[in-house]
Amino acid sequence: SQQGEEDPQALSIQEGENATMNCSYKTSINNLQWYRQNSGRGLVHLILIRSNEREKHSGRLRVTLDTSKKSSSLLITASRAADTASYFCATDLNTGRRALTFGSGTRLQVQP
Amino acid sequence: GAVVSQHPSRVICKSGTSVKIECRSLDFQATTMFWYRQFPKQSLMLMATSNEGSKATYEQGVEKDKFLINHASLTLSTLTVTSAHPEDSSFYICSARDIRTDTQYFGPGTRLTVL
Repeated sequence: SQQGEEDPQALSIQEGENATMNCSYKTSINNLQWYRQNSGRGLVHLILIRSNEREKHSGRLRVTLDTSKKSSSLLITASRAADTASYFCATDLNTGRRALTFGSGTRLQVQP
Repeated sequence: GAVVSQHPSRVICKSGTSVKIECRSLDFQATTMFWYRQFPKQSLMLMATSNEGSKATYEQGVEKDKFLINHASLTLSTLTVTSAHPEDSSFYICSARDIRTDTQYFGPGTRLTVL
């Protein structure tokens, strides 16, 4: 079963705009990781945020984590057509096994 | 960043045959690797956890006799789909966890089509 829900399921924006994707989860976590997947390809790791962290940045990416609300957000600033992809959050649960449980994903379309 | 390779990237086989997929961590040793399955336009579903030197741990509903996993070394895990059927057609992705950073890196995936 899916650990997390992501919203929106699909997002279409213009180049230069910001894109925000949200992820909610149900149980306590060690960390939460965001990935990007282009159609038919593997997953590219974007950012890992630990349970004791609240915000992380990487280039045009900003991730926040609110453990009290069991939610995370991924912000892509100044989007580009090349950012078009599906974005997934994945939680590393506090169970010892360390497998990731994936959210449902957000399909982002950036119009040139 | 760390790299995980997967081979083959695409395979087409006849129903009843077995298919082996290899997953290698290239930059780090991985005592634990994971196998996922992804259907079109859906998210990834964990199939099993591959443990170096011991038996794999399978998720509920995943047949261990159908999806054989071997983790023979700290850099290689293999998934063998035995007696494949058309319903096994899917995108299979492996990942390896880098214990130095807790980051999981994914392979490029294998598209399996069973005719």
